[in-house]
Amino acid sequence: SQTIHQWPATLVQPVGSPLSLECTVEGTSNPNLYWYRQAAGRGLQLLFYSVGIGQISSEVPQNLSASRPQDRQFILSSKKLLLSDSGFYLCAWSVELLVKEQYFGPGTRLTVT
Amino acid sequence: AQKITQTQPGMFVQEKEAVTLDCTYDTSDPSYGLFWYKQPSSGEMIFLIYQGSYDQQNATEGRYSLNFQKARKSANLVISASQLGDSAMYFCAMREGSSNTGKLIFGQGTTLQVKP
Repeated sequence: SQTIHQWPATLVQPVGSPLSLECTVEGTSNPNLYWYRQAAGRGLQLLFYSVGIGQISSEVPQNLSASRPQDRQFILSSKKLLLSDSGFYLCAWSVELLVKEQYFGPGTRLTVT
Repeated sequence: AQKITQTQPGMFVQEKEAVTLDCTYDTSDPSYGLFWYKQPSSGEMIFLIYQGSYDQQNATEGRYSLNFQKARKSANLVISASQLGDSAMYFCAMREGSSNTGKLIFGQGTTLQVKP
C-alpha cells in the first residue's frame, strides 16, 4: 500500500533562517506531488506541484522554492524565512492528474519567530 | 475564476443526528470534480467523498453523502448519525477538468462539533 511521509512534524525557526521540509511517497511510481500551505483557521493553498523529476510548477510567487530530486521525493525550501511563512505545510500525491483523490501526508507545523 | 465558498465557520450537531455542511462553487469549466475532506485536530487531511460533474447520481460513502445540485452550483455534505469522532474541520474542494495540474481549490472550511 502507498504511504506518504513528511518531516519534521513540527519546526520553530527564527526569521531569516533557511528551511527544508521533506516529503517522500512509498508504494507508487511517478506520482504527481503537491505542496500546500494552510494558515491558521484557513483553507489550503497550493504552493507547488510536480508531475515528474525535476519538473516544478509554482502557483504562488513567494520566497519558497521546491525541488524533486528523486521520483518519490519532494522538498520545500527557503533561503530566508519570513514571519508570514508560518503555517501548516501539507504534501500530497496522486497517481494521475485527473484521478479522484489526492492523498495527504501528516503535515509539518512551522512557526517562524 | 474558480472559487469555493463555505459559509458556515462553525456548526454544532447532537450525537446521532444528521448534519449538512454547505458548499457552493463557481467555475466556467463544464468538467470538474468536487471533494470533501475531513481534518481532525491532528492536522491530517482525510478524503471523504467525490462527485464528478457528469455523475448522474449523488455520491455516497457510508454515512457521508453529497447533495449535488448542479444548477445551483452547490455540493453540500450530509453526515448521517453523527458520532463524537466526526468533530473536526471539513473542507470542500474543487478540481477543474481542464486543469492539467490536478490541483485542488479549497474552501475556508467548516468546524463541526458533535455534542454528546
